[in-house]
Parts: sequence; C-alpha cells; structure tokens
Amino acid sequence: QKEVEQNSGPLSVPEGAIASLNCTYSDRVSQSFFWYRQYSGKSPELIMSIYSNGDKEDGRFTAQLNKASQYVSLLIRDSQPSDSATYLCAVNGLRGSYIPTFGRGTSLIVHP
Amino acid sequence: GAGVSQTPSNKVTEKGKYVELRCDPISGHTALYWYRQSLGQGPEFLIYFQGTGAADDSGLPNDRFFAVRPEGSVSTLKIQRTERGDSAVYLCASSATGEDTEAFFGQGTRLTVV
Repeated sequence: QKEVEQNSGPLSVPEGAIASLNCTYSDRVSQSFFWYRQYSGKSPELIMSIYSNGDKEDGRFTAQLNKASQYVSLLIRDSQPSDSATYLCAVNGLRGSYIPTFGRGTSLIVHP
Repeated sequence: GAGVSQTPSNKVTEKGKYVELRCDPISGHTALYWYRQSLGQGPEFLIYFQGTGAADDSGLPNDRFFAVRPEGSVSTLKIQRTERGDSAVYLCASSATGEDTEAFFGQGTRLTVV
C-alpha cells in the first residue's frame, strides 16, 4: 500500500459543478494535510492546509479531514476551466517524520 | 526573498557529467526539502535540511547524489556522473520550522541528461 493514495483520474466535470478530489493515507498518527495545485509545466502551489477533523473552507475550496478513516478530500465549488490542473495531496507526520509525503496527484479537467 | 528561488530553470547535460542545482529558500525558513518529480508522478522526497544539517537524507537514490546547506539558507544539490535516468524536475521547498508548517515550492529545475 502506498503511503498516500490518490486516483490519478482524469476527473472531468462541467463548468459550475462541484469537483471532489480524494486522498487516503496509511499512517493513523499523521498530523497535517495539504492540498497543492499544479498546472502543467509548473511547480506545486499550496492551496489548502488542514490539521483537525472536519471541514475547512477558503473561498470556493473546502478541505475535509477524517482521521479515523485516514481520509482527506478537497471540494471545489463552482468549478472553472482555470481550475483544470493536477491536485496533489500531501501528508506530514507519516512515520513520525516532518517530511511532506505526496500522492501522485489527480488530474482535474473542467470543461465549459 | 519573497519566494523560493531555484537556478537554473533548465539544465541540459551530457551523461557522466557533474551538475549542481541551487535553491534559495524563503528568508527565515529553517526547513528545506529537495524533491524529484517525473512526468505523471507526485514529488518524490530526496533530502530534508533543518538548519545546516541534513535531518533526513533517506530519499537520495544513491551515492551520486549529495546536498549541502552550509549556512542554513541556500542549498545546493549535487549530482555526480549523471545518468539518463536522472532526468526529471528537481523541486525545492521550504517551510518556516518544518514541524507541520506549510511548505512552499520553487519553480523547479528541469534536468535533462542526454
């Protein structure tokens, strides 16, 4: 089992819809969780961080964390074509280390 | 500086040559990470610095790879006897303390070994 798992996609949604991106992780003691957006040919850009169970909202983005299920998700409301990118989930605290471990990313395509 | 800066943006080198990749982290950030990313994959951890010391170098693939951060700021990733399989985007990130704090990436160096 990979330490951080994401479906590679692509996930295709129409403009204006809600995009739901999911991530599972292997170590129950992991402490902090991050979502990065990566446009093609660019480096990852941090968009959300979440540390406690529940939801955290920032504009059109909502991160959801369920530590019991070892699951973190990112919801993008009112998806726009400009949201088309790869979304990387990162988990800090795996195996007790302070090194962000990344999933392979989910490709999101928002079509007009 | 305002963000993490990596130089060069692109590097083409011949197989067997030595290369150095530079990372200038966000001012005041004590934690610095090097990652490598291949097409279609997430960033793969190489080495983590806390201050001047390498706190974890378990991701370095072999002894051709080495990194330093002598003054606790700028870091250099050094690759000896490059191989075609080393071709990838090398990413550097920094965070304020490294303890659950957010990490910010530079623009990356695309290394191509021909």
